[in-house]
Amino acid sequence: EPEVTQTPSHQVTQMGQEVILRCVPISNHLYFYWYRQILGQKVEFLVSFYNNEISEKSEIFDDQFSVERPDGSNFTLKIRSTKLEDSAMYFCASKTSGGGAEAFFGQGTRLTVV
Amino acid sequence: TQLLEQSPQFLSIQEGENLTVYCNSSSVFSSLQWYRQEPGEGPVLLVTVVTGGEVKKLKRLTFQFGDARKDSSLHITAAQPGDTGLYLCALLRGRGDDKIIFGKGTRLHILP
Repeated sequence: EPEVTQTPSHQVTQMGQEVILRCVPISNHLYFYWYRQILGQKVEFLVSFYNNEISEKSEIFDDQFSVERPDGSNFTLKIRSTKLEDSAMYFCASKTSGGGAEAFFGQGTRLTVV
Repeated sequence: TQLLEQSPQFLSIQEGENLTVYCNSSSVFSSLQWYRQEPGEGPVLLVTVVTGGEVKKLKRLTFQFGDARKDSSLHITAAQPGDTGLYLCALLRGRGDDKIIFGKGTRLHILP
């Protein structure tokens, strides 16, 4: 069964360092998303991406964050200068279409900033 | 204030018992979704309800959307240890209803 895959599963980085979280969405999907979940808190929307551009982003998604689809398969989230409060599970999701189509989530990358 | 309030936050019951968890809001929704999230995994969609009063069944799980489309419940009959997990209700918002807004969830633990 097709699935969204994320790498790495766990990343530890020092404060101020850049990190890139990688996702391979389901192959025929066209809409891509990043969400995050701080430990003990709810899953929060970060950004949606369609047709090679950002469709919508949340207040969390500031200038330190960027997304890219560098080739036909990968979808990446970059955090330029990590802060302690960026520590969270980051989930990638993809859908065949926008609106109410089902979103399929990856297993997440646990980012720990020390 | 939270857009979606889920209760209870935690629930631990014996295998074989029935349970109901709730998702409430002061707003009216066009649709509402329920997800299940297991430790170390992303959320998995269980069901979407769109019509006030709608009832959907998924094996031992029964989902109901309130008549006024402001609340929803999830009832599990004869709970099994495999039902253990975090149950999230969610709604779609933003441009084209494309952004998922999650509640905080009910963490359910079924004791064997």
